[in-house]
Amino acid sequence: KQEVTQIPAALSVPEGENLVLNCSFTDSAIYNLQWFRQDPGKGLTSLLLIQSSQREQTSGRLNASLDKSSGRSTLYIAASQPGDSATYLCAVHTGNQFYFGTGTSLTVIP
Amino acid sequence: KAGVTQTPRYLIKTRGQQVTLSCSPISGHRSVSWYQQTPGQGLQFLFEYFSETQRNKGNFPGRFSGRQFSNSRSEMNVSTLELGDSALYLCASSLASAAYNEQFFGPGTRLTVL
Repeated sequence: KQEVTQIPAALSVPEGENLVLNCSFTDSAIYNLQWFRQDPGKGLTSLLLIQSSQREQTSGRLNASLDKSSGRSTLYIAASQPGDSATYLCAVHTGNQFYFGTGTSLTVIP
Repeated sequence: KAGVTQTPRYLIKTRGQQVTLSCSPISGHRSVSWYQQTPGQGLQFLFEYFSETQRNKGNFPGRFSGRQFSNSRSEMNVSTLELGDSALYLCASSLASAAYNEQFFGPGTRLTVL
């Protein structure tokens, strides 16, 4: 069974810092990996989708990389802002279903 | 373009009752997936529907069922509710199979079972 782990579970940084969130998965046979953010009590907002054949995707201040062979993905956030405070989730699709990590709770301090 | 909508947003039920949740996908999207989110188990996949057919199913008991209509709207039903069914239920839509397409989530339905 696929297991997805996110480290750290919580992260607090001052505004303006660049930061990296980590996601690891146990089975490299994935179709895609998607990063989401979730604000308290809300649904998920899609940030980036990386297909299994891709190595990275970029959107604005966000860059996500994928290394299938090592079972790892990173989400890089440049010049963090207080509005980036949220829980960040990664999820991998195995062809049958999505498996989610437990998330990283990010707080950006003004 | 309107996003994914879910109704109702909040529900309170008692043990033993049944409940039906509704999800309207983004216009043009044909795949709808359902998820359960709890503090203890995190986000877990329930099932995916595509063109009115269930394509995949997670590890949930048969009390959890769903269906999809010809307009791609989907409903999820939970029968004989248990306290442990209290959760945020999220649906997501994608153009086609979620294995190849970006998923967009609705705001969720918060179910409380008393």
